[in-house]
Amino acid sequence: DAGVTQSPTHLIKTRGQHVTLRCSPISGHKSVSWYQQVLGQGPQFIFQYYEKEERGRGNFPDRFSARQFPNYSSELNVNALLLGDSALYLCASSLRPGLSYNEQFFGPGTRLTVL
Amino acid sequence: AQKVTQAQTEISVVEKEDVTLDCVYETRDTTYYLFWYKQPPSGELVFLIRRNSFDEQNEISGRYSWNFQKSTSSFNFTITASQVVDSAVYFCALSGNRDDKIIFGKGTRLHILP
Repeated sequence: DAGVTQSPTHLIKTRGQHVTLRCSPISGHKSVSWYQQVLGQGPQFIFQYYEKEERGRGNFPDRFSARQFPNYSSELNVNALLLGDSALYLCASSLRPGLSYNEQFFGPGTRLTVL
Repeated sequence: AQKVTQAQTEISVVEKEDVTLDCVYETRDTTYYLFWYKQPPSGELVFLIRRNSFDEQNEISGRYSWNFQKSTSSFNFTITASQVVDSAVYFCALSGNRDDKIIFGKGTRLHILP
């Protein structure tokens, strides 16, 4: 069975540009979460989506946005890129919300470099 | 506020030695969940264990064991007879009962030397 997939694997952008990262959850999973992992730090929660609705948002500026499609895949958009946005962006999927009874499976991530 | 502290930034041990990774957490929630994840050089986070706050039983899975002590807010992870393949960054993490946001510690980089 395919795990969580993310594209692209690597991306290089310049300051001020816009970027779109994509995530396909495990088949049957309806909840998708996004995390940012800056080098040397643990992942930080950005968003969670379930059934196309935003369920949770971390402490990130409005330059970060996301959406979930009818097939449960998701996009993370970042506008007006800053050098500090350089990070590994991780997507995680789960059957539905509720960490009490189902775990999140993480994808391999997209490594974004902002020059 | 929720917080996870992994005081050990980096640990190196020789293969076959036992190693314990420390984790201390802070939360005001009465119901919460603790996790350990492994992140090999490939970058993908690998789930190791989830423990809820009402279950203080220690757990053993092969060479891995976890010691959850609510009294000291600690959730330590021990690898017995370490192997080179155990080399990775290990993250301790915490989640409350209200949402699925997982709060990660800064991680401990573990080097197993042959």
